[in-house]
Amino acid sequence: KAGVTQTPRYLIKTRGQQVTLSCSPISGHRSVSWYQQTPGQGLQFLFEYFSETQRNKGNFPGRFSGRQFSNSRSEMNVSTLELGDSALYLCASSLGQGGPTGELFFGEGSRLTVL
Amino acid sequence: AQKITQTQPGMFVQEKEAVTLDCTYDTSDPSYGLFWYKQPSSGEMIFLIYQGSYDQQNATEGRYSLNFQKARKSANLVISASQLGDSAMYFCAMRGVSGAGSYQLTFGKGTKLSVIP
Repeated sequence: KAGVTQTPRYLIKTRGQQVTLSCSPISGHRSVSWYQQTPGQGLQFLFEYFSETQRNKGNFPGRFSGRQFSNSRSEMNVSTLELGDSALYLCASSLGQGGPTGELFFGEGSRLTVL
Repeated sequence: AQKITQTQPGMFVQEKEAVTLDCTYDTSDPSYGLFWYKQPSSGEMIFLIYQGSYDQQNATEGRYSLNFQKARKSANLVISASQLGDSAMYFCAMRGVSGAGSYQLTFGKGTKLSVIP
């Protein structure tokens, strides 16, 4: 059973550019959530999508957005990049409902560097 | 609001010895879940163990056990017989459930475990 796949794994952008990250969840999982990991702030919740609808959102500016497609794949977009957006972006999938523990299965992350 | 505190930024343990990683939490939810994840240098978060707030017994998964003390709001991870491959960052996390049924994890700052041969 394939795990959570994130692409690209590494990318470098400059300030002011925008970036799109992709996440393919485990087959059958309908929930995809995104987390940002930085040395200073640690792991912070960005948002969660379930059946193509944003179900929950963390405390991030509107430059951070996402969407989910009918096949449960998700993309997140960051516009007008700032140096502080440099981070590891982790995607996690789960069944979304009915799961006994609500366990999240994480991908290996996309490491974004903003110059 | 939920909060997870891990007070040990770094820990060293001798190979084959046991080690305890501390985690305390704060929440007003009557029902919650506690998780431990391992993050090697590759970046992937690997699920280790789960404890539900109403579970009567402490969770165990192979060499991992969770010492759950509800009254003290602590959920310490115990790794028995440490191996070199256990060297990694370890994160304690709490599951919160929003009104929409969304699963959101709140993470601690993590503990970097180094296993010494």
